[in-house]
Amino acid sequence: TQLLEQSPQFLSIQEGENLTVYCNSSSVFSSLQWYRQEPGEGPVLLVTVVTGGEVKKLKRLTFQFGDARKDSSLHITAAQPGDTGLYLCAGVDGGSYIPTFGRGTSLIVHP
Amino acid sequence: ETGVTQSPTHLIKTRGQQVTLRCSSQSGHNTVSWYQQALGQGPQFIFQYYREEENGRGNFPPRFSGLQFPNYSSELNVNALELDDSALYLCASSFIGGGATNEKLFFGSGTQLSVL
Repeated sequence: TQLLEQSPQFLSIQEGENLTVYCNSSSVFSSLQWYRQEPGEGPVLLVTVVTGGEVKKLKRLTFQFGDARKDSSLHITAAQPGDTGLYLCAGVDGGSYIPTFGRGTSLIVHP
Repeated sequence: ETGVTQSPTHLIKTRGQQVTLRCSSQSGHNTVSWYQQALGQGPQFIFQYYREEENGRGNFPPRFSGLQFPNYSSELNVNALELDDSALYLCASSFIGGGATNEKLFFGSGTQLSVL
């Protein structure tokens, strides 16, 4: 079983602050996905990173895939209350292409 | 809005009962996956169906079973419900074909199941 560890588990910050959440594993993945889930909704795919060392930007969100394709980080600049939600990383196995999710980081951004 | 719809949105059952959850895939998608998300946890993979056949299964007992229909809609059936089955059940559709792999998932809003 490929285990994905996410940290921190909980994060409560003020609007305008920067933050980084981490996703780590001992396994190598063909790609890694980041989702955001709001209460009462299903996860929504934000980005997929495929190449080791790859960096992708989505407005104020920066995603990085580790060189060895075992870990990833998500950095949010100048967080806003609309960023509040559960951030999930999911590793994709190159054989089955079925995403395996981490436990998530619950982010609350206070106005 | 992903185009994936699940029903019902909420359900209350008692231990030992059976339940059927339903999912309508996004138009054009031919693969459906089911995940269980317990409170405070990430989604756990139950199984995936492609062309009406099981295409992968997670670490769930046989009392969790599924079906995919020719129109790509799907059902998740759980027999002999246990208290620990209380969770949000998520359906996700995707597409396999033409060189595309199926890891890009579009989730529905889920069915919240409570087992008393």
